[in-house]
Amino acid sequence: EAEVAQSPRYKITEKSQAVAFWCDPISGHATLYWYRQILGQGPELLVQFQDESVVDDSQLPKDRFSAERLKGVDSTLKIQPAELGDSAMYLCASSLTLAGDDNEQFFGPGTRLTVL
Amino acid sequence: KQEVTQIPAALSVPEGENLVLNCSFTDSAIYNLQWFRQDPGKGLTSLLLIQSSQREQTSGRLNASLDKSSGRSTLYIAASQPGDSATYLCAVRRGGSSNTGKLIFGQGTTLQVKP
Repeated sequence: EAEVAQSPRYKITEKSQAVAFWCDPISGHATLYWYRQILGQGPELLVQFQDESVVDDSQLPKDRFSAERLKGVDSTLKIQPAELGDSAMYLCASSLTLAGDDNEQFFGPGTRLTVL
Repeated sequence: KQEVTQIPAALSVPEGENLVLNCSFTDSAIYNLQWFRQDPGKGLTSLLLIQSSQREQTSGRLNASLDKSSGRSTLYIAASQPGDSATYLCAVRRGGSSNTGKLIFGQGTTLQVKP
């Protein structure tokens, strides 16, 4: 069964360092989402791509976070510099299309980030 | 602004009990509502998706209902088992011109089923 892949699964870093997370969506899925989940809370959308274009990055802290999906397939989320408050689970999801009934999102296993 | 609330935040029940998890949302203009399960330190697994035109969906021991006009959804779990122990998240997708596919999540209900 096709799955969303993410790496690494766990990342420990010191504050002020740079970190990067990778996501490979289900093959053929045009829409890709990055969510952040702080412990004890629900996920919140950081950025959403349709193919290689950003659809929504209104909640992305652009002074330190960046995201790209250059070829419209896999995606990288970067934080530079990392801060203590960035410790969270970073979840990637993908869907076949942006809207309509094919929009059901499938989630990857997540990357657990700890900033010391 | 759409807000999603889940009550209770945590629930502990003995094995075999039937239970109900609650989800409420402030804006009834939704496209659909989805219930997810999350095991500790893991990603999200979709359980049930209810379109805005539907009243309920069923999968095995799970039944989810939707009352869009009152902004409420419930997830009913029959004959609970220890393997049902997890966090259950409710998420809504906005409708109309706000429908970009973005999901807005509640904070989750953490369920513990004791043997």
